[in-house]
Amino acid sequence: DAKTTQPNSMESNEEEPVHLPCNHSTISGTDYIHWYRQLPSQGPEYVIHGLTSNVNNRMASLAIAEDRKSSTLILHRATLRDAAVYYCIPDNNNDMRFGAGTRLTVKP
Amino acid sequence: DAGVTQSPTHLIKTRGQQVTLRCSPKSGHDTVSWYQQALGQGPQFIFQYYEEEERQRGNFPDRFSGHQFPNYSSELNVNALLLGDSALYLCASSKTRDSPNQPQHFGDGTRLSIL
Repeated sequence: DAKTTQPNSMESNEEEPVHLPCNHSTISGTDYIHWYRQLPSQGPEYVIHGLTSNVNNRMASLAIAEDRKSSTLILHRATLRDAAVYYCIPDNNNDMRFGAGTRLTVKP
Repeated sequence: DAGVTQSPTHLIKTRGQQVTLRCSPKSGHDTVSWYQQALGQGPQFIFQYYEEEERQRGNFPDRFSGHQFPNYSSELNVNALLLGDSALYLCASSKTRDSPNQPQHFGDGTRLSIL
């Protein structure tokens, strides 16, 4: 299983962009890079995933390094509702191996 | 469209007892995965069910077992409960086990406390 490294915590101001980094240097060639987030007292929520190309959806953007050893989740304008723990997960078999994630705090 | 539902939401047991947790997947989903989340940690993969069979398993002892029914719902059973089994148990469903593109949808979990 690929190992991931994420900052333990990050802070952002409301309505500013947030870049959440993840290193996954041992990722295999067939692993997708998934991002989930977990709000307090809730189960994890899917955010975005990609394989090689950068991806955009209504929630966020995912920038994947050319060598696929790292990726960055981009929240274009953070809101208070985006305060959560964000998990980066390289996976190909749907047996998600979560790490400790990054706790994002959004200040008003 | 109902999402993933889990029952009960909270449960208190004592050491040595057995417990059964239940999960109904999102409509249209056929694969169910179970996770254990200890306080302050990320979810840990227990096992995954597809076509009523356990297809993948994480690093959990045989005390943890499961079942999937023809309607795709699932149960997680834990025998001989230990204090360390106290955690949030999460169920996730996805559309097809063999499609890595499909995101998993999680329920809000069952909080199990062992006294």
